[in-house]
Order: sequence, then C-alpha cells, then structure tokens
Amino acid sequence: EVQLVESGGGLVKPGGSLRLSCTASGFTFSSYSMNWVRQAPGRGLEWVSSISSSGTYIYYVDSLKGRFTISRDNAKNSLFLQMNSLRAEDTALYYCARGSGAVAATAEYFQDWGQGTLVTVSS
Amino acid sequence: SYELTQPPSVSVSPGQTASITCSGDKLGDKYACWYQQKPGQSPVVVIYQDYKRPSGIPERFSGSNSGNTATLTISGTQAMDEAEYYCQAWDSSTRNVVFGGGTKLTVL
Repeated sequence: EVQLVESGGGLVKPGGSLRLSCTASGFTFSSYSMNWVRQAPGRGLEWVSSISSSGTYIYYVDSLKGRFTISRDNAKNSLFLQMNSLRAEDTALYYCARGSGAVAATAEYFQDWGQGTLVTVSS
Repeated sequence: SYELTQPPSVSVSPGQTASITCSGDKLGDKYACWYQQKPGQSPVVVIYQDYKRPSGIPERFSGSNSGNTATLTISGTQAMDEAEYYCQAWDSSTRNVVFGGGTKLTVL
C-alpha cells in the first residue's frame, strides 16, 4: 500500500521559514517524480513544485520562484519543501503527491496523495 | 500562463448523468485528468490521460478531451459522487502543472 506522510507544518510569523517533509512507502520512491500541491482554506488546488525521480529536473509555479525550494533524498524515501519569506497567502494545507512517471511531462498526473500538513502564516 | 476553466457548480438528480467541463486553449492537444475531493479528504484521481480509469474507480466515471474542452461524465450518478471535481493538465511551455478552479457536484 502506498503511503505518503507529510510533516513539518505549523504556525509561523510572516517572513519566517518552514521545512516540510514527506516520507514515502509502498513503492519505489526513486523511480517517480514527486510534487507539492497546496490548498488554501476553502479554496481550490494549486500546484507548487515538482522534482524528477533523480532530482535533476525541478519546476516551480512562477509565483513562488525564489522563495520555495524542493528537494528529495532517495536513500531515505523523503521529499522536502523549504519555504522562506512566508506570507499570509501561503497559508494552506500542503499535500505531497506522487507523479505518474520519472519526470513531470505531458501525461503527468498525481496517482497518490498524502493527507497534508497545515501551514499557517500569521502574526 | 495557461488557464483551465470549470463551472463552479453542477447539479444532478440521482441516477442521471452528470457532465463537468474543463476549458482551456487547445486543451485537446494536451492530456487532461480529473480528481475527486470529498470534504476533509485528499484528492483522488478518477480519470487520467483523458479517458483512462485507475483501478478501483467505478465504470460510471468516463472522460473525453477534444478541441478546447475536456469533459468528465458520471453516468447513473450516486449520492456518494457528491464532491468537488478538479481538472488538471500539464503546460509544456511553462513546464507547470495547471489545475482548474474546481466544480462542486451536488446530487439532489
């Protein structure tokens, strides 16, 4: 059974930083791209970032470039999201999601999702 | 940036067919997929690569994609299908994943 477990969320002041983690099990982690998707309270899904299976190809939504950094440790079956200069509008539930192949591409979809970790940015 | 547009809400009577559309420029040239999200739960893919159903997804869920519109069709809609549905595609020009705004399906 595929499991994706996110952690690291919490309450942070504007301008602060957080590092999210996602621990995967039940599949060959090093064979799949991984993604972060967020959902603000009462709002829709917003893709944040994707990292290829080897970590070579990394993509971000334009609005977040420069503040967030995605990374992975295939030896530990773990995905990370370093979030800096946080703003109130970053408040959301952050999901870890497994991609459909080794690299995000034309046929990309998210076949498994974690339960999410809540990030709240407030003074 | 590439955008996908969905109607905010769709209503259907139990046992009838529900159709949810997703519009985007030349969307038919891309692959579309659909997610179902029930309150308090994580999204679940119900259609990928335009029309394929993952294992465990009922046959009443089907998809199509042509021109500028992808469509999720639920035949014989059941009360358990009441949920938010999101379409998604990959924009190769920006190398971004794009989601539609979501459609609330109500089974009356």
